[in-house]
Amino acid sequence: EPEVTQTPSHQVTQMGQEVILRCVPISNHLYFYWYRQILGQKVEFLVSFYNNEISEKSEIFDDQFSVERPDGSNFTLKIRSTKLEDSAMYFCAVLRTEPYEQYFGPGTRLTVT
Amino acid sequence: LAKTTQPISMDSYEGQEVNITCSHNNIATNDYITWYQQFPSQGPRFIIQGYKTKVTNEVASLFIPADRKSSTLSLPRVSLSDTAVYYCLVGDMYNTDKLIFGTGTRLQVFP
Repeated sequence: EPEVTQTPSHQVTQMGQEVILRCVPISNHLYFYWYRQILGQKVEFLVSFYNNEISEKSEIFDDQFSVERPDGSNFTLKIRSTKLEDSAMYFCAVLRTEPYEQYFGPGTRLTVT
Repeated sequence: LAKTTQPISMDSYEGQEVNITCSHNNIATNDYITWYQQFPSQGPRFIIQGYKTKVTNEVASLFIPADRKSSTLSLPRVSLSDTAVYYCLVGDMYNTDKLIFGTGTRLQVFP
């Protein structure tokens, strides 16, 4: 069973709409991360989350983005008003300690039309 | 975080050993070297991590010279399924939140 699942696997939305991407870690994790990868480009760090608050965020993570753990299990990334350039794969990651690594989920492909 | 330089692409054939070298001249004392693998439309997958000398696991080996300014990921006897992008990351893994990915090395394995 995968340690991290993400839903949906593919989300198509219209420009200006809000989207919520979900990450469900299987076991107890304390550190969570979101990354994105625009097609053909690098994997880019968005934000890290620890103890129910943002630990670090990149310049990409502007006011359009927010994260939360609404029920202590799911970890969500919300984009308030999507833009065409938000089209990308979004990966959730959790911190594992054996080995010490960031473990990535399968990703959500977001397509903004 | 130390800047890394690795080849853009490499080709190999099934059954061969593949060595991908990464340069990180500005590596700091607390930095570790970590390699990830990524298949198309999938999340990066941790392969191996080391600090110095040699590390080996069931997937790969990582060679790190004494000056730690470079490292080599060694994949023994590659198969078609090893075709992927391989990323070398350098950083203080225990005191940093973010992973900084470069463009990686695109490995193509031919039959």
